[in-house]
Amino acid sequence: EDQVTQSPEALRLQEGESSSLNCSYTVSGLRGLFWYRQDPGKGPEFLFTLYSAGEEKEKERLKATLTKKESFLHITAPKPEDSATYLCAVRVTQGGSEKLVFGKGTKLTVNP
Amino acid sequence: KAGVTQTPRYLIKTRGQQVTLSCSPISGHRSVSWYQQTPGQGLQFLFEYFSETQRNKGNFPGRFSGRQFSNSRSEMNVSTLELGDSALYLCASSSTGANTEAFFGQGTRLTVV
Repeated sequence: EDQVTQSPEALRLQEGESSSLNCSYTVSGLRGLFWYRQDPGKGPEFLFTLYSAGEEKEKERLKATLTKKESFLHITAPKPEDSATYLCAVRVTQGGSEKLVFGKGTKLTVNP
Repeated sequence: KAGVTQTPRYLIKTRGQQVTLSCSPISGHRSVSWYQQTPGQGLQFLFEYFSETQRNKGNFPGRFSGRQFSNSRSEMNVSTLELGDSALYLCASSSTGANTEAFFGQGTRLTVV
């Protein structure tokens, strides 16, 4: 069964304290890995798409990397406005259907 | 350019009733997917419509159904509501669906009492 596991479930950082979020996956055929940010009461906001091992993408203080078994979202010198739940999803083919399988997310809190 | 619009934002229904949720995708996007989000299960895929046809389907009972119109707007229907159907229902649109990023709406918060 295709699975996506994110760790840690929750993370508290001080402003400026860099860290990484992990997304490990077990899928039969990866067709793309996606990172989203979700604020309370809102829909997920697209951040990155990664397709192959070794690929990296950056946006402001965020950098996403991909290996054959996991992806990392590195947050450099975070600010309080980076507080949110970060979701990882993989696009897979199951029973002839394609769908996004999401992890449960990492809730990030950045204290000033 | 306008984002994905979902209506209504909030709904309270009684067990046994049915409900219809609406989603207007980003202009030009032909793929619309629906997801259910709960604290315990996270985001779970319901189904995807592309050019008025259901292209992909998740593991939900037949009480959950949907359709897509010629203008790409989509509706999701849940019949015979159960307490466990209380969730945030999210719609996402993308240009082709496969391997392209999906953009989500704000969601419809459904509460079944």
